[in-house]
Amino acid sequence: AQSVAQPEDQVNVAEGNPLTVKCTYSVSGNPYLFWYVQYPNRGLQFLLKYITGDNLVKGSYGFEAEFNKSQTSFHLKKPSALVSDSALYFCAAPYNNNDMRFGAGTRLTVKP
Amino acid sequence: SQTIHQWPATLVQPVGSPLSLECTVEGTSNPNLYWYRQAAGRGLQLLFYSVGIGQISSEVPQNLSASRPQDRQFILSSKKLLLSDSGFYLCAWSTGVGGAEQFFGPGTRLTVL
Repeated sequence: AQSVAQPEDQVNVAEGNPLTVKCTYSVSGNPYLFWYVQYPNRGLQFLLKYITGDNLVKGSYGFEAEFNKSQTSFHLKKPSALVSDSALYFCAAPYNNNDMRFGAGTRLTVKP
Repeated sequence: SQTIHQWPATLVQPVGSPLSLECTVEGTSNPNLYWYRQAAGRGLQLLFYSVGIGQISSEVPQNLSASRPQDRQFILSSKKLLLSDSGFYLCAWSTGVGGAEQFFGPGTRLTVL
């Protein structure tokens, strides 16, 4: 079973600056890790996942995430933030073979 | 391609009334299906999941129930709504294969008055 934690409720960045949304994990075995984004009054959208292999995972909308085993982290990053990236971001990991557990979410605000 | 539908999009119901929310998936067969509730735009609480027709697992004891009458249909119900049942209800599906991501529907905003 795995669990994730998102230490920041809110992240504010200026448009054009790099952004990082943090996630740490606790795992028994090999971790599967996911990032999702939620825009207001919408369902969650899958961004990217880490299963195995390259520690840098590239996903949708220019996002990427770096798996760091020594720090047990899977931070979401983007080199240059857009105002339209403002949303709620969730880190997630499978709890067992059949369901997923999500972090509490981090609200990203990108200011023009 | 696969799509997931939920309806209604919004619902306002009085306390004590019944509830039925429906979720259907197209373009895949034998999916795992999930119901989540999200309160106040924050974390997701897994309510139920199903790995097949008639197979329902409940994560938390509550005023709600779920059913899966067909392979790609998942229904969330209540006989008598409580104020605390208000929230944003999300349906999701996955292939069930290890490491598979979940795909979410657009959600239903339920307000119980």
